[in-house]
Amino acid sequence: EPEVTQTPSHQVTQMGQEVILRCVPISNHLYFYWYRQILGQKVEFLVSFYNNEISEKSEIFDDQFSVERPDGSNFTLKIRSTKLEDSAMYFCASSGRNYGYTFGSGTRLTVV
Amino acid sequence: KQEVTQIPAALSVPEGENLVLNCSFTDSAIYNLQWFRQDPGKGLTSLLLIQSSQREQTSGRLNASLDKSSGRSTLYIAASQPGDSATYLCAVNPGGGADGLTFGKGTHLIIQP
Repeated sequence: EPEVTQTPSHQVTQMGQEVILRCVPISNHLYFYWYRQILGQKVEFLVSFYNNEISEKSEIFDDQFSVERPDGSNFTLKIRSTKLEDSAMYFCASSGRNYGYTFGSGTRLTVV
Repeated sequence: KQEVTQIPAALSVPEGENLVLNCSFTDSAIYNLQWFRQDPGKGLTSLLLIQSSQREQTSGRLNASLDKSSGRSTLYIAASQPGDSATYLCAVNPGGGADGLTFGKGTHLIIQP
């Protein structure tokens, strides 16, 4: 069964540093997404991406966040200057024509 | 703003029981609803996807129903097994591809051997 692949599985970074989280969505899917889950809290929507541009973004997705599809397979989330409160599990997802989501296994980001 | 509530928050039952997990949502104008399973520290595994025009979906021992007009969905697990222990998440899709899913907080399920 097709999978969404995320790397790395765990990243530790110092406050103020830039991080890039990487994802390979399912190849024939149309929409790509990033979500986050702070420990013990709900999964929250960050951003959706379609046709090489952002479709929707939540209030969480402020100027310190950006997304990019640098080639035909990768989809990245960049956090420019990390804060302690950015520590969370970040999930990439993609969806096809039936708009059913497939999620990756996540990147656990720890900001120290 | 869409709100999704899952009841109960936690459930512990002996192996072999049939059980029902509940999900309610405040805005009935949804495109579809999806149930996921999340193991501790892991990603989300899709269990069932119900489009707004459908009433239920089945996969093995799992059956999910949707009553859009009343803003409710249930996940029925038959003959529960210890391997079913996980957190079950309900998520609603308001409008298709671009819109983000709104998740409930989940039901933490423990099946006692």
